Formats: sequence, structure tokens, C-alpha cells
Amino acid sequence: GESVGLHLPTLSVQEGDNSIINCAYSNSASDYFIWYKQESGKGPQFIIDIRSNMDKRQGQRVTVLLNKTVKHLSLQIAATQPGDSAVYFCAENNDMRFGAGTRLTVKP
Amino acid sequence: DTGVSQNPRHKITKRGQNVTFRCDPISEHNRLYWYRQTLGQGPEFLTYFQNEAQLEKSRLLSDRFSAERPKGSFSTLEIQRTEQGDSAMYLCASSRDPLGLINNEQFFGPGTRLTVL
Repeated sequence: GESVGLHLPTLSVQEGDNSIINCAYSNSASDYFIWYKQESGKGPQFIIDIRSNMDKRQGQRVTVLLNKTVKHLSLQIAATQPGDSAVYFCAENNDMRFGAGTRLTVKP
Repeated sequence: DTGVSQNPRHKITKRGQNVTFRCDPISEHNRLYWYRQTLGQGPEFLTYFQNEAQLEKSRLLSDRFSAERPKGSFSTLEIQRTEQGDSAMYLCASSRDPLGLINNEQFFGPGTRLTVL
């Protein structure tokens, strides 16, 4: 069946380094994707979104890349900070499905 | 705008009891979603409303679960005859979708953590 999922369950980076979190999807009809950040004890928080007519979108310190050919999505965080430590989810909004998430840990 | 609120934040109940959770979405948002999240997993979609109409229900939403949004504002999620497997975080989210066609980001509440003993 169709699925939204993440490649790696955990990622540990040094403060100041760049982080890349990956996500694969299988529904070729998907046309809208969102990255969420969830800190411990809180609900997910929107980070950035991208529509399928784009292959890149930039926010403040974050960039989302969409490769429709291989159905792959990535979230890049520049100059990662301790406050970026959280679980990151990609979601395919048409079906409101989330992957299991990637836990990002930033080491000072 | 105070964001999405959920009550209670925590609920401990005994197996077999009924529980009801409330979600107050952002006031101008016409879509409201319920999710369940267990430790180490992403949110699992349960159901969503467009105004007062319940448009979709997941297969996860068994007969023991019912959700309502009677006036298109706040929503309640009731679980009857709770089971230990119902222990989870129940998340509510809302979004503004004025045309009913455009996907928009969802704003999540803090969740209600249910523990069934």
C-alpha cells in the first residue's frame, strides 16, 4: 500500500553542523508535503511545506527539497542548534499520514 | 488567537470506563483533526471534520470511538469501554481551508495523554 516513511530513526549532529533528514513517499499522486517538528511533551509544530510543482523551498535556516522522480523529500537545517533537538516528521497532507519520525539530537 | 487547546492534558482511567476529551481549535479554522500517537511513533490519523461534518474516519477508529463537532467549533472525542491498548497521546489539530480544496498546515494542540490501567 501507499506509505510515508523515514529512512533513519535517529540522527546525531554537532552544534553548528548542517543536518539532513530524509523522507520517502510512495503515493505518486501526492502533491503537498509538510515537515513538522515535535519537541518532547508537545504537539507537532509546522516547519515548512512544499507543493509538488516545486523542487525546493527555503525558510529561515531550513530548506526542503523534493525529488518527485524518486519520491524523496529532505529537510536541511543549517547551523543546527541545541533547540533544534526534536523529532521531525514528514507528512503527506492529502491523506494526513505521518511517518515514524527521525529524532535529531544536537550535541553541544 | 491562543492556538489549539485540549482538555484535559492528562487522563488516567480504569479499563472499561468511558472517557471524553475536548478540543478547541483556532477560531477561524474550519477543519479539525484527531490523531493518536504512541511512544516512538508518528501521529496516526483518526478522523477529521470540515465545519460540523465528519468527512473521514480511519479504520483505527473502532466502534468504541466517537467524535463530534456539533456547532463546527469545538470537538469531543469519546472512547467507550476503554482498553489498555487505548493508552496514547490524543492530538487535535485544526487548519483553515476556506475553499475546501487547498491543503494547509495543521496547527496542533498539546494533546491529551490517556493512561488506561
